Amino acid sequence: KQEVTQIPAALSVPEGENLVLNCSFTDSAIYNLQWFRQDPGKGLTSLLLIQSSQREQTSGRLNASLDKSSGRSTLYIAASQPGDSATYLCAVRDGGRRALTFGSGTRLQVQP
Amino acid sequence: EAQVTQNPRYLITVTGKKLTVTCSQNMNHEYMSWYRQDPGLGLRQIYYSMNVEVTDKGDVPEGYKVSRKEKRNFPLILESPSPNQTSLYFCASSLGGGAGETQYFGPGTRLLVL
Repeated sequence: KQEVTQIPAALSVPEGENLVLNCSFTDSAIYNLQWFRQDPGKGLTSLLLIQSSQREQTSGRLNASLDKSSGRSTLYIAASQPGDSATYLCAVRDGGRRALTFGSGTRLQVQP
Repeated sequence: EAQVTQNPRYLITVTGKKLTVTCSQNMNHEYMSWYRQDPGLGLRQIYYSMNVEVTDKGDVPEGYKVSRKEKRNFPLILESPSPNQTSLYFCASSLGGGAGETQYFGPGTRLLVL
C-alpha cells in the first residue's frame, strides 16, 4: 500500500528565504504527483503536477522535482513571502487507481 | 468560473439523523470523488465515480453512500451519522484519467456529529 511522508511537519522562515519541502513515497510505480496548497478553512489548490515521465515542473517562484526511482519529490519556493504561509500537501496517484494518496502536509509560516 | 461547489459548508447534526452533502462541478468532468480529512491521518478517499451511474468504494467507505445520476452532481449521503464521522469533507473532480490531469477540489464541508 502506498504511503506518503512529508518532512518537515512545520517550518517557519523569515521573508525572502528560499526553502525546500520534501515528500517521499514508498511505491515508485506512480502515475503522477501533485503538490497542493491548503489555506485554513479553505479547500485545496493545485500548485504543480508532475507526470511520472517528467523530472520537474515550474510555475512562477515554485519548482517541483520528481525522482521516481528513489521515491522522492521536492517543492522549492524561491524568495518566500508572507502570502506563501499555508499547509503544503503532496499527493501521488498510483498507476492502477484514480485515488490520490496524500501526505500529512508541511505547515509553512513565512515571517514578515 | 470553473469550480467545484459543496453545500453546506458547515453542518452540526446528531447521531442517526440522515444527511446529504451536495457536490457540483461545472467543468464537464467525468471523474468525481469524496475525501475526508482528519488530523494525523491526512486525506483519505471515501467513494469515487468514473461517470454517470458508475461508482465504487475508496479506502474508507463504511457508513457512506453516494449516487451519480447526473454528470455534474455527486452527493455524499450519511444514512445514520455517528460521532466518528466528524470530519472535514472534500469533493474533487477531474476530466478523466490522464496522467496530466489535475484534480480540482471543492472548499470543504466541516461536519460535527454529536
